[in-house]
Amino acid sequence: NAGVTQTPKFQVLKTGQSMTLQCAQDMNHEYMSWYRQDPGMGLRLIHYSVGAGITDQGEVPNGYNVSRSTTEDFPLRLLSAAPSQTSVYFCASSPSGEEQYFGPGTRLTVT
Amino acid sequence: GENVEQHPSTLSVQEGDSAVIKCTYSDSASNYFPWYKQELGKRPQLIIDIRSNVGEKKDQRIAVTLNKTAKHFSLHITETQPEDSAVYFCAALRGNKLVFGAGTILRVKS
Repeated sequence: NAGVTQTPKFQVLKTGQSMTLQCAQDMNHEYMSWYRQDPGMGLRLIHYSVGAGITDQGEVPNGYNVSRSTTEDFPLRLLSAAPSQTSVYFCASSPSGEEQYFGPGTRLTVT
Repeated sequence: GENVEQHPSTLSVQEGDSAVIKCTYSDSASNYFPWYKQELGKRPQLIIDIRSNVGEKKDQRIAVTLNKTAKHFSLHITETQPEDSAVYFCAALRGNKLVFGAGTILRVKS
């Protein structure tokens, strides 16, 4: 099993550009989540999904969209990138909503 | 919503000593409390967790205690080793939302 995979590993965007961070898992987990990690602030939940077709907002959803058309994939879309979205983004999956299996992360810089 | 506070933000210990990291949470409905370890440049990985119906759990050199009345839980690492050096995060689960503490940088000096 590859577990949770994320692409790209690194990305630089200009303010106002849009992009999609990809996340996929091959463990047949129902739960998937997106977190951002900033220095001194831990991991903050952006959006999550409890199954295909179902998504909900986390702590910091503004500026991000998600969709879940399949169990395996959970892409995160930045609509109009801002410098405040410079961060490391982690996707995670879980069989039950409890133990999280994290992907390797995407380091995003917005200039 | 849930709020999780974690202390200390940095902790230095001598190899072989014990390390204790404490977290408090605000929502009494939270029912699952995991601890994650993150090495530099790597993804967070679960090291131990505890559910609200349990007061203490141990796994070799690592233990977690939970005080539901006071709404706090702690991570205890005994006989620390250099490879324990990392950032440790506590978290609390309320419904489907996992809220993390800000993290503790643990340095084990040999």
